[in-house]
Amino acid sequence: DTGVSQNPRHKITKRGQNVTFRCDPISEHNRLYWYRQTLGQGPEFLTYFQNEAQLEKSRLLSDRFSAERPKGSFSTLEIQRTEQGDSAMYLCASSPGQGNYNEQFFGPGTRLTVL
Amino acid sequence: AQSVTQPDIHITVSEGASLELRCNYSYGATPYLFWYVQSPGQGLQLLLKYFSGDTLVQGIKGFEAEFKRSQSSFNLRKPSVHWSDAAEYFCAVGARGSQGNLIFGKGTKLSVKP
Repeated sequence: DTGVSQNPRHKITKRGQNVTFRCDPISEHNRLYWYRQTLGQGPEFLTYFQNEAQLEKSRLLSDRFSAERPKGSFSTLEIQRTEQGDSAMYLCASSPGQGNYNEQFFGPGTRLTVL
Repeated sequence: AQSVTQPDIHITVSEGASLELRCNYSYGATPYLFWYVQSPGQGLQLLLKYFSGDTLVQGIKGFEAEFKRSQSSFNLRKPSVHWSDAAEYFCAVGARGSQGNLIFGKGTKLSVKP
């Protein structure tokens, strides 16, 4: 068990470009979460998957954002037509789902800089 | 609406001194409560959690926290701080009956003086 992994760790892009991030959860964790963390703030919830089903989305998740978890394992988060306001750390977390379902294990994050 | 308040943005303590980080929450019932620590370049690491039962919970790295329902608080404590404890600390709540998201405070940055 190597924990939650995220790739890339850093991404610099120009405004208007599309970017995609990947999250690999802890194996056999059926719940996967995406959060966004801006400077000086705590993480803010974006969306959540139970296996391959996306069950909850925050108002923060605009139409330019899309997340998938096609086989219930890894997940991708895509941002289309990036804006400077999208610059943030994007965190992924996974949870076993049963019992302590709110005990979430976090990855190291992907830091996005939009120029 | 649920919310978490960490009143102290930045705290500096001397190595070996005691530490208390404050956390207050707003929620209609008793939520699940968590403390996470984030070091530069690292992900969030769970220090401890409260679900039910004993209101004094022990965590990793010598940390403990006490749930006080009457004060809607879940303060984090450590009797003797080590230089390696310098990091940012986040309190979070999760709604009972919810499947999903945690709500985090804005964090308290801890600096440790030698």
